[in-house]
Amino acid sequence: QLQLQESGPGLVKPSETLSLTCTVSGVSITSSSYYWGWIRQPPGKGLEWIGNIYYTGSTFYYPSLRSRVTISLDTSKNQFSLKLSSVTAADTAVYYCARDRNSWYWGAFDIWGQGTMVSVSS
Amino acid sequence: QSALTQPASVSGSPGQSITISCTGTRSDVGGYNYVSWYQHHPGKAPKLMIYEVSNRPSGVSNRFSGSKSGNTASLTISGLQAEDEADYYCTSYSSSTHVVFGGGTKVTVL
Repeated sequence: QLQLQESGPGLVKPSETLSLTCTVSGVSITSSSYYWGWIRQPPGKGLEWIGNIYYTGSTFYYPSLRSRVTISLDTSKNQFSLKLSSVTAADTAVYYCARDRNSWYWGAFDIWGQGTMVSVSS
Repeated sequence: QSALTQPASVSGSPGQSITISCTGTRSDVGGYNYVSWYQHHPGKAPKLMIYEVSNRPSGVSNRFSGSKSGNTASLTISGLQAEDEADYYCTSYSSSTHVVFGGGTKVTVL
C-alpha cells in the first residue's frame, strides 16, 4: 500500500536548520510519473507549498523560500528530504510530504503523509 | 504566500448544495486548467477531491464537482452531509510561483 511518513525533530532552535525526511513505501521515488513535494500549515493558517522534486533531482521551490530551502532524494532508502535554514518562529508549522500525481504540472497532491509538527523555539 | 482568494466560510443544511469560489489571475487559475481542490479535516492529512478543474480521483464521491470560469474556479458539494464539514483549499499551477494555494474555506453543516 502506498504510504508516506514524515520524520524529524519536533523542536528546532531559531537560526538553525530544520531537517525532515519523508519515507515512501509502495512506490519507487524514481518513477518518472510523479513529483514529490513538501507542504506546510502554520498554526491557525492555511496550507503553503514549499517545493517539489523529480526523480532526476530537479527541484522547484516557492520563490520566497528558495534561498533557504533544499529538497533532495535518497533513492537507496526511497526517501526524500527537506532542509530549511535560518528558521524563525514563522516557520513553526505542521509539515507534510506528498506525492504530486503529475509530471507535467504541479499542485495535484494525491497521497499525503500524516504530517509532523515542528516548532521553532529556543 | 500570495494566496488565491477563497471565502473564509460557507455553510449549508444537510441535503443542500454549496459552492466555494477560488479567484486568481491569468497567471494561475485563468491561464491553466490545473486547479485542484482539497478537503482537510483538522488533525488529518488533506485529501485530493478534484484535479484539473473538474476531475475526481477514484473513490471521491460524485457529490463533489469542480468548474472554472475565467479567473475563478468553483467547488460544488451537493447533497451536503455532516462528514463534509471540513476546511477546503484550492490550488493552482502558477506561472510565477509554480504552485499557489487558496487561503482556505471552512464549511459548516448546520
